[in-house]
Amino acid sequence: QLQLQESGAGLVKPSETLSLTCTVSGGSISRNSDYWAWIRQPPGKGLEWVGAIYYSGSTYYNPSLKSRVSMSIDPSKNQFSLTLSPVTAADTALYYCGSSHNGERIDNWGQGALVTVSS
Amino acid sequence: QSALTQPPSASGSPGQSVTISCTGTTSDVGGYDYVSWYQQHPGKAPKLMIYEVTKRPSGVPDRFSGSKSGNTASLTVSGLQPEDEADYYCSSYAGGNSLVFGGGTKLTVL
Repeated sequence: QLQLQESGAGLVKPSETLSLTCTVSGGSISRNSDYWAWIRQPPGKGLEWVGAIYYSGSTYYNPSLKSRVSMSIDPSKNQFSLTLSPVTAADTALYYCGSSHNGERIDNWGQGALVTVSS
Repeated sequence: QSALTQPPSASGSPGQSVTISCTGTTSDVGGYDYVSWYQQHPGKAPKLMIYEVTKRPSGVPDRFSGSKSGNTASLTVSGLQPEDEADYYCSSYAGGNSLVFGGGTKLTVL
C-alpha cells in the first residue's frame, strides 16, 4: 500500500510562493499507470483538483489555476512537488497529495498539509 | 470545468438506505465511466469508496454501491450504520487527464 506525506511551509505571505513536496513510500513513483496529484480543500469547504503530473514529467493543471501553478517530479527521491504563485488568502487550504490511477481517480491520499496565506 | 452538483445534505436512520446524487455534464459524468466516490470523516483524509461508477476497492463494505444514468451518478449506502456518518464527494474524469469534484454531501445517520 502506497503511503504519501506532504511537507512544506505552513504560512505564506500574500503575493508570495506556496511550495509543497509529497514523498511517496511503499512503491515507485515511476509506475507507468499512475499520475501524481494535488487536491486542496479550503477550511469547511469541498475538494478541488489542483493538477497532476506523470512520471515522465507531463503535467495537467486545473484551468482555473493554470497560470499560477507548476508541478515537478523527482524519481530519484520518489517525490513530486507543487508551487503556486502568487498566492492570495483564497489559496488558504488543506493541500493533499495523492496517487491517481490513469488520472481518473485518487486511490491513495496523504494526510494533508494546511497552508495559510496571511501577512 | 465546473464542480459537479451534489445535495448539501442527506440523512437516514440506522438500517435504512440512502442515495446521494452527483450531476455533471456530457463533458464529465455523462461522457466517461470514470465516476468515483470518496468518504471523508472529520479531520481525516478522503477515502476512495467507489471507482469506475460501480467498483469497490478491497475492504469497502458491499453496503456501498454506485450507479450512473446519463449525466447523473449516484451512491447508495444500504443498511446505514453510525460509522457511515461522514462527508461524501463524487469525482469524474473530465478529459485531458483532469478530474472534477462535486461540492460534497454531509450524510447524517439519525
